[in-house]
Amino acid sequence: DAGVIQSPRHEVTEMGQEVTLRCKPISGHNSLFWYRQTMMRGLELLIYFNNNVPIDDSGMPEDRFSAKMPNASFSTLKIQPSEPRDSAVYFCASSFQETQYFGPGTRLLVL
Amino acid sequence: SQKIEQNSEALNIQEGKTATLTCNYTNYSPAYLQWYRQDPGRGPVFLLLIRENEKEKRKERLKVTFDTTLKQSLFHITASQPADSATYLCALGLGNFNKFYFGSGTKLNVKP
Repeated sequence: DAGVIQSPRHEVTEMGQEVTLRCKPISGHNSLFWYRQTMMRGLELLIYFNNNVPIDDSGMPEDRFSAKMPNASFSTLKIQPSEPRDSAVYFCASSFQETQYFGPGTRLLVL
Repeated sequence: SQKIEQNSEALNIQEGKTATLTCNYTNYSPAYLQWYRQDPGRGPVFLLLIRENEKEKRKERLKVTFDTTLKQSLFHITASQPADSATYLCALGLGNFNKFYFGSGTKLNVKP
């Protein structure tokens, strides 16, 4: 298995633009997580899905953030409009039981 | 409020010594606790899981303890090597749909 796949790996955009991050979880995993990591705040859970259904989105910073999981093999995290404070590394992780498997992350820079 | 605390200062040790990292938590009742390793530019990688009814778990040179009374977990790396240099994160699992809460991590530097 290729592991969790994220794209793009790096994204540089200007304030106000829409950003879409993509994630392909490991086949057979039924839970998917989106995290944001910064030096100041560490690793923060944004939202997680179980069997493609959003279970808890209490970590989503504000309405500018949205996430979807249309099927078991694909999820997106969208930021619209983006702001400089959204600059961070965004990780997707998937799990079947207790262990989470992380993707390589998307490094986002909003200018 | 709920907190997970790991030493924010880097831990510097000499090769061959045992490294001990601490994870303290408040106002959580975790069903299990995990330790992850994160290298620069990469996502965290799972190392060990210990459940609330377990006191200790070992895997090769790694050992984890879990004291639910003290609300603390200790993570030990014996016979440390420079390749063990990384940031180590603890994560608490409450058992519901596998949601985790991560600590901020401790950076370990093992010097040759």
